[in-house]
Amino acid sequence: LAKTTQPISMDSYEGQEVNITCSHNNIATNDYITWYQQFPSQGPRFIIQGYKTKVTNEVASLFIPADRKSSTLSLPRVSLSDTAVYYCLVGDMNFNKFYFGSGTKLNVKP
Amino acid sequence: NAGVTQTPKFRVLKTGQSMTLLCAQDMNHEYMYWYRQDPGMGLRLIHYSVGEGTTAKGEVPDGYNVSRLKKQNFLLGLESAAPSQTSVYFCASRHQKNTGELFFGEGSRLTVL
Repeated sequence: LAKTTQPISMDSYEGQEVNITCSHNNIATNDYITWYQQFPSQGPRFIIQGYKTKVTNEVASLFIPADRKSSTLSLPRVSLSDTAVYYCLVGDMNFNKFYFGSGTKLNVKP
Repeated sequence: NAGVTQTPKFRVLKTGQSMTLLCAQDMNHEYMYWYRQDPGMGLRLIHYSVGEGTTAKGEVPDGYNVSRLKKQNFLLGLESAAPSQTSVYFCASRHQKNTGELFFGEGSRLTVL
């Protein structure tokens, strides 16, 4: 399973775009990249998943360069309610296991 | 639909006592998982199940046992609780054909004195 590295914490202000980068240098050919969001005292919540290039949904965008050794979660125009921990996961969806790293704590300020 | 439901939500145990955490899902998901999360840390996989009657070890299985007798339920047992098992426990489920979306319960906070 590919190891992931994320910044421990980030600060932002309301209305700004936030980009959180995850490094996964030893990602395998069959691996997908998945991001989760976790609020205090709650279970993580799925945000977005991708394999290559760009994926966008109603919540976020995921950018994956051609070499797939990193990925960037982009949150447009964050609000105070986006303050949470964001986890990047890499794994083969057929392998069944999902390992969470330490995540990035995003603090959105007014 | 209730999604993933964990019981109990809070429990205090004395060292050496045993207990079982119950996870129930009503989404007909094949895969189920148990994680623990210590303060300020990420989630660590304890055990998981790819279907009824099957279980497998994750990252930190020692001191825990699991059973998946029914598809909708995944039980996590502590035979002899230790203070090191004080944590928040999260259960999750996933559909077999889904590529990576885990559905989590609200967590069970366990304190071992």
